[in-house]
Amino acid sequence: GDSVTQMEGPVTLSEEAFLTINCTYTATGYPSLFWYVQYPGEGLQLLLKATKADDKGSNKGFEATYRKETTSFHLEKGSVQVSDSAVYFCALRSAANFGNEKLTFGTGTRLTIIP
Amino acid sequence: DAGVTQSPTHLIKTRGQQVTLRCSPKSGHDTVSWYQQALGQGPQFIFQYYEEEERQRGNFPDRFSGHQFPNYSSELNVNALLLGDSALYLCASSRPQGPSETQYFGPGTRLLVL
Repeated sequence: GDSVTQMEGPVTLSEEAFLTINCTYTATGYPSLFWYVQYPGEGLQLLLKATKADDKGSNKGFEATYRKETTSFHLEKGSVQVSDSAVYFCALRSAANFGNEKLTFGTGTRLTIIP
Repeated sequence: DAGVTQSPTHLIKTRGQQVTLRCSPKSGHDTVSWYQQALGQGPQFIFQYYEEEERQRGNFPDRFSGHQFPNYSSELNVNALLLGDSALYLCASSRPQGPSETQYFGPGTRLLVL
């Protein structure tokens, strides 16, 4: 079945450092890939997505590229801010057929940015 | 434009009781999915409703049931609560337009079972 493996946390970085959170997946076909962010006490917010191989999703300085050959969707940001402190979830949605719309999530990576 | 709303925000129940959680989808969305997020874990898919029918179900027991109303809002019911049902329950809405369609999440209902 579908699965998502995320880099284990927690991750602690200094402000303005470079961020990478690794995500790899197992799925049949060409799933859509997502990064969601969860701030303390809140639900999930979509950060970015990519729907086909070599697509790059980007938002708020974050980027991730859909790599079919390595089944990866690593999240990167060039210069993190304290406000980026949150839990980040990688997720996939199977392209198997219409109606199979569940999201499969990784376990999440807690990111803390120190001023 | 209102996003996905959920009620209540917090709930405390005891073992064996029943609970009903509610969700209103984002405007223009007709599909509602429910997820359970245990502490420190990623969300797990419970089920999805479309056109008032359960369309897809995850690996959850029959104690978890749901309903979708003609206005697309939805309820999640859990019977015979167990301590392990303590979690954040998230509702997500979307339009069924293909695998790239984004699911938008509500703030969740935090359920504590004592």
